[in-house]
Amino acid sequence: DAGVIQSPRHEVTEMGQEVTLRCKPISGHNSLFWYRQTMMRGLELLIYFNNNVPIDDSGMPEDRFSAKMPNASFSTLKIQPSEPRDSAVYFCASSFRGTGELFFGEGSRLTVL
Amino acid sequence: GENVEQHPSTLSVQEGDSAVIKCTYSDSASNYFPWYKQELGKRPQLIIDIRSNVGEKKDQRIAVTLNKTAKHFSLHITETQPEDSAVYFCAATDTGRRALTFGSGTRLQVQP
Repeated sequence: DAGVIQSPRHEVTEMGQEVTLRCKPISGHNSLFWYRQTMMRGLELLIYFNNNVPIDDSGMPEDRFSAKMPNASFSTLKIQPSEPRDSAVYFCASSFRGTGELFFGEGSRLTVL
Repeated sequence: GENVEQHPSTLSVQEGDSAVIKCTYSDSASNYFPWYKQELGKRPQLIIDIRSNVGEKKDQRIAVTLNKTAKHFSLHITETQPEDSAVYFCAATDTGRRALTFGSGTRLQVQP
């Protein structure tokens, strides 16, 4: 398996633009997580899904952020409109529910100018 | 929810010395405690984990200890090498109910 695949790896955009980050989890994993990493706040959970259903989205900063998982092999995190404070590395991770171990993707580095 | 505190934030040791990183957690229901290593510009990767039914686990030069009564767990790295230089994160969760909550990270620098 290729591991968790994220795209794009780098994104530079201007304030106000829409940003869509994509994730393909490891085949067979039934839990998917979106984390955001910044120097100031470390690794923060944004949202996680079990069997494609959102379980906990309490970490989603505000209505500008939305996440979907239309099927077991694909998830998106959308920011609309983007703001400079959204600049961070966004990690997608997957696991087999109940085991605990997370497998992270390589991350999407977002810069909002 | 869970709250994980991690200390120290930075740690510098000489090659060959030992390094210890400590974490505390708040939720007594947490039962899984992994440690992740993140090299510069890379993804976090699991290096060792421990579940609440054991007190200590060792894998070559790294070991983790868990004190459930005191709600703290520690990472021990012996005979440190320059390639151990990275940021280390502890985490805690109640598997199957919550996502991992991460500590704030420890930047370990091993001086050759």
